[in-house]
Amino acid sequence: SQQGEEDPQALSIQEGENATMNCSYKTSINNLQWYRQNSGRGLVHLILIRSNEREKHSGRLRVTLDTSKKSSSLLITASRAADTASYFCATDYGNNRLAFGKGNQVVVIP
Amino acid sequence: EPEVTQTPSHQVTQMGQEVILRCVPISNHLYFYWYRQILGQKVEFLVSFYNNEISEKSEIFDDQFSVERPDGSNFTLKIRSTKLEDSAMYFCASTMTTPSNQPQHFGDGTRLSIL
Repeated sequence: SQQGEEDPQALSIQEGENATMNCSYKTSINNLQWYRQNSGRGLVHLILIRSNEREKHSGRLRVTLDTSKKSSSLLITASRAADTASYFCATDYGNNRLAFGKGNQVVVIP
Repeated sequence: EPEVTQTPSHQVTQMGQEVILRCVPISNHLYFYWYRQILGQKVEFLVSFYNNEISEKSEIFDDQFSVERPDGSNFTLKIRSTKLEDSAMYFCASTMTTPSNQPQHFGDGTRLSIL
Protein backbone atom coordinates (compact mmCIF):
# COMPACT_ATOMS: atom_id res chain seq x y z
CA SER A 1 0.00 0.00 0.00
CA GLN A 2 1.10 3.60 -0.45
CA GLN A 3 2.18 5.18 2.76
CA GLY A 4 4.37 8.00 4.00
CA GLU A 5 7.56 7.11 5.78
CA GLU A 6 9.23 9.46 8.22
CA ASP A 7 12.94 9.65 8.89
CA PRO A 8 14.48 9.74 11.51
CA GLN A 9 12.35 7.75 13.89
CA ALA A 10 13.49 9.29 17.19
CA LEU A 11 14.97 12.67 17.96
CA SER A 12 16.19 14.09 21.24
CA ILE A 13 17.06 17.80 21.36
CA GLN A 14 17.64 20.59 23.84
CA GLU A 15 14.98 23.20 24.37
CA GLY A 16 15.51 26.08 21.97
CA GLU A 17 17.02 23.94 19.23
CA ASN A 18 15.32 23.21 15.93
CA ALA A 19 13.92 19.79 15.04
CA THR A 20 13.59 18.53 11.49
CA MET A 21 11.70 15.47 10.33
CA ASN A 22 11.37 14.07 6.84
CA CYS A 23 8.70 12.07 5.10
CA SER A 24 8.67 10.36 1.72
CA TYR A 25 5.85 8.88 -0.29
CA LYS A 26 5.45 6.79 -3.38
CA THR A 27 2.91 8.21 -5.84
CA SER A 28 1.16 11.49 -6.65
CA ILE A 29 -0.79 13.06 -3.83
CA ASN A 30 -3.56 15.59 -3.33
CA ASN A 31 -1.96 16.87 -0.17
CA LEU A 32 0.29 15.90 2.69
CA GLN A 33 -0.57 16.53 6.31
CA TRP A 34 1.40 16.53 9.54
CA TYR A 35 -0.11 15.46 12.85
CA ARG A 36 1.13 15.43 16.42
CA GLN A 37 0.27 12.80 19.00
CA ASN A 38 0.96 13.28 22.68
CA SER A 39 1.28 10.11 24.71
CA GLY A 40 -2.10 8.44 25.15
CA ARG A 41 -3.94 11.08 23.17
CA GLY A 42 -5.40 11.44 19.70
CA LEU A 43 -3.86 12.92 16.58
CA VAL A 44 -3.81 16.70 16.40
CA HIS A 45 -3.67 18.26 12.96
CA LEU A 46 -0.74 20.65 12.47
CA ILE A 47 -0.42 21.62 8.82
CA LEU A 48 -1.85 20.59 5.45
CA ILE A 49 0.18 21.34 2.35
CA ARG A 50 -1.39 20.91 -1.07
CA SER A 51 0.43 19.27 -3.96
CA ASN A 52 0.80 22.63 -5.75
CA GLU A 53 2.37 24.29 -2.70
CA ARG A 54 6.06 24.19 -1.85
CA GLU A 55 6.23 25.68 1.62
CA LYS A 56 3.85 26.51 4.41
CA HIS A 57 4.26 28.10 7.82
CA SER A 58 2.20 27.97 10.99
CA GLY A 59 3.72 29.66 14.03
CA ARG A 60 6.98 27.84 14.78
CA LEU A 61 6.24 25.13 12.23
CA ARG A 62 7.53 25.11 8.67
CA VAL A 63 6.58 22.43 6.18
CA THR A 64 8.10 21.95 2.75
CA LEU A 65 6.95 19.71 -0.06
CA ASP A 66 9.08 18.53 -2.96
CA THR A 67 6.83 16.65 -5.37
CA SER A 68 9.72 15.82 -7.70
CA LYS A 69 11.42 13.93 -4.86
CA LYS A 70 8.11 12.85 -3.31
CA SER A 71 9.21 14.11 0.06
CA SER A 72 8.24 16.57 2.76
CA SER A 73 9.92 17.99 5.82
CA LEU A 74 8.59 19.41 9.07
CA LEU A 75 10.74 21.92 10.92
CA ILE A 76 9.97 22.96 14.47
CA THR A 77 11.93 26.06 15.38
CA ALA A 78 12.90 27.13 18.90
CA SER A 79 11.57 23.91 20.39
CA ARG A 80 9.89 23.80 23.79
CA ALA A 81 9.42 20.98 26.26
CA ALA A 82 5.72 20.99 25.30
CA ASP A 83 6.71 19.98 21.75
CA THR A 84 7.64 16.53 23.10
CA ALA A 85 5.37 14.18 21.13
CA SER A 86 5.22 11.85 18.17
CA TYR A 87 4.87 13.49 14.77
CA PHE A 88 3.24 11.76 11.82
CA CYS A 89 2.99 12.61 8.19
CA ALA A 90 -0.09 11.45 6.32
CA THR A 91 -0.68 11.47 2.60
CA ASP A 92 -4.00 12.07 0.90
CA TYR A 93 -4.11 10.34 -2.46
CA GLY A 94 -7.60 11.63 -3.18
CA ASN A 95 -9.25 8.32 -2.29
CA ASN A 96 -10.98 9.53 0.86
CA ARG A 97 -8.43 8.07 3.24
CA LEU A 98 -5.15 9.13 4.88
CA ALA A 99 -2.04 6.94 4.73
CA PHE A 100 0.16 7.50 7.77
CA GLY A 101 3.86 7.02 8.27
CA LYS A 102 5.40 5.32 11.29
CA GLY A 103 5.97 8.56 13.14
CA ASN A 104 8.88 10.41 14.68
CA GLN A 105 9.23 10.54 18.43
CA VAL A 106 10.62 13.92 19.48
CA VAL A 107 11.88 14.55 23.00
CA VAL A 108 12.70 18.12 23.94
CA ILE A 109 14.91 18.32 27.00
CA PRO A 110 14.31 21.40 29.17
CA GLU B 1 -13.05 24.40 20.05
CA PRO B 2 -15.36 21.54 18.95
CA GLU B 3 -13.94 18.08 19.50
CA VAL B 4 -14.50 14.53 18.39
CA THR B 5 -15.28 12.46 21.48
CA GLN B 6 -14.87 8.71 21.83
CA THR B 7 -16.14 6.30 24.44
CA PRO B 8 -15.03 4.28 26.23
CA SER B 9 -11.40 5.29 26.59
CA HIS B 10 -10.46 1.67 27.35
CA GLN B 11 -12.43 -1.47 26.55
CA VAL B 12 -11.42 -4.94 27.69
CA THR B 13 -13.25 -7.81 26.00
CA GLN B 14 -12.98 -11.57 25.85
CA MET B 15 -12.00 -13.05 22.50
CA GLY B 16 -15.05 -13.94 20.46
CA GLN B 17 -17.24 -11.31 22.04
CA GLU B 18 -18.81 -8.42 20.19
CA VAL B 19 -17.68 -4.89 20.94
CA ILE B 20 -19.08 -1.50 19.96
CA LEU B 21 -16.88 1.56 19.95
CA ARG B 22 -18.65 4.89 20.02
CA CYS B 23 -17.79 8.27 18.56
CA VAL B 24 -19.48 11.63 18.51
CA PRO B 25 -18.07 13.58 15.55
CA ILE B 26 -18.01 17.36 15.41
CA SER B 27 -21.62 18.42 15.00
CA ASN B 28 -21.56 20.04 11.54
CA HIS B 29 -19.18 17.50 10.02
CA LEU B 30 -20.41 15.21 7.28
CA TYR B 31 -17.60 12.71 6.67
CA PHE B 32 -16.58 10.17 9.29
CA TYR B 33 -13.67 7.77 9.58
CA TRP B 34 -12.27 4.97 11.68
CA TYR B 35 -8.55 4.25 11.94
CA ARG B 36 -6.66 1.86 14.15
CA GLN B 37 -3.14 1.81 15.56
CA ILE B 38 -1.69 -1.47 16.76
CA LEU B 39 0.93 -0.86 19.44
CA GLY B 40 4.18 0.23 17.85
CA GLN B 41 2.78 0.26 14.33
CA LYS B 42 1.38 2.81 11.89
CA VAL B 43 -2.05 4.36 12.06
CA GLU B 44 -4.13 2.40 9.54
CA PHE B 45 -7.27 3.47 7.73
CA LEU B 46 -10.30 1.24 8.25
CA VAL B 47 -13.35 2.92 6.75
CA SER B 48 -14.90 6.20 5.69
CA PHE B 49 -18.60 7.02 5.86
CA TYR B 50 -20.73 9.65 4.22
CA ASN B 51 -24.46 10.12 3.71
CA ASN B 52 -25.24 6.98 5.70
CA GLU B 53 -23.11 4.67 3.68
CA ILE B 54 -19.54 3.46 3.45
CA SER B 55 -17.44 5.51 1.00
CA GLU B 56 -14.20 3.59 1.23
CA LYS B 57 -12.91 0.66 3.22
CA SER B 58 -9.54 -0.98 3.55
CA GLU B 59 -8.66 -4.64 3.30
CA ILE B 60 -8.60 -4.71 7.10
CA PHE B 61 -12.32 -3.87 7.24
CA ASP B 62 -13.66 -7.36 6.63
CA ASP B 63 -17.04 -8.90 7.41
CA GLN B 64 -16.50 -8.84 11.17
CA PHE B 65 -16.53 -5.03 11.10
CA SER B 66 -19.50 -2.75 10.57
CA VAL B 67 -20.22 0.93 11.04
CA GLU B 68 -23.42 2.75 11.75
CA ARG B 69 -24.74 6.21 12.40
CA PRO B 70 -27.73 5.25 14.55
CA ASP B 71 -28.84 8.80 15.22
CA GLY B 72 -27.84 12.36 14.38
CA SER B 73 -24.80 12.43 16.62
CA ASN B 74 -23.21 9.01 17.16
CA PHE B 75 -20.98 7.04 14.80
CA THR B 76 -20.19 3.50 15.89
CA LEU B 77 -17.75 0.76 14.95
CA LYS B 78 -18.85 -2.78 15.74
CA ILE B 79 -16.53 -5.76 15.78
CA ARG B 80 -18.67 -8.89 15.74
CA SER B 81 -16.39 -11.63 16.99
CA THR B 82 -13.21 -10.16 18.34
CA LYS B 83 -9.81 -11.72 17.83
CA LEU B 84 -6.59 -11.22 19.75
CA GLU B 85 -5.16 -9.27 16.81
CA ASP B 86 -7.97 -6.72 17.08
CA SER B 87 -6.22 -5.30 20.14
CA ALA B 88 -5.31 -1.73 19.17
CA MET B 89 -6.13 1.93 19.61
CA TYR B 90 -9.15 2.85 17.50
CA PHE B 91 -9.48 6.44 16.38
CA CYS B 92 -12.54 8.17 15.02
CA ALA B 93 -12.18 11.25 12.81
CA SER B 94 -14.43 13.64 10.94
CA THR B 95 -14.26 16.36 8.31
CA MET B 96 -16.74 19.08 7.56
CA THR B 97 -17.01 18.93 3.82
CA THR B 98 -15.68 16.86 1.00
CA PRO B 99 -12.43 15.50 2.37
CA SER B 100 -10.28 16.69 -0.49
CA ASN B 101 -7.75 19.08 1.00
CA GLN B 102 -9.43 19.09 4.39
CA PRO B 103 -7.74 18.15 7.65
CA GLN B 104 -9.30 15.34 9.61
CA HIS B 105 -10.18 15.96 13.25
CA PHE B 106 -9.42 13.01 15.50
CA GLY B 107 -10.74 11.86 18.84
CA ASP B 108 -8.50 10.63 21.65
CA GLY B 109 -9.17 7.03 20.76
CA THR B 110 -10.44 3.87 22.44
CA ARG B 111 -7.87 1.37 23.59
CA LEU B 112 -9.31 -2.09 22.85
CA SER B 113 -7.74 -5.01 24.67
CA ILE B 114 -8.81 -8.51 23.67
CA LEU B 115 -8.10 -11.25 26.22
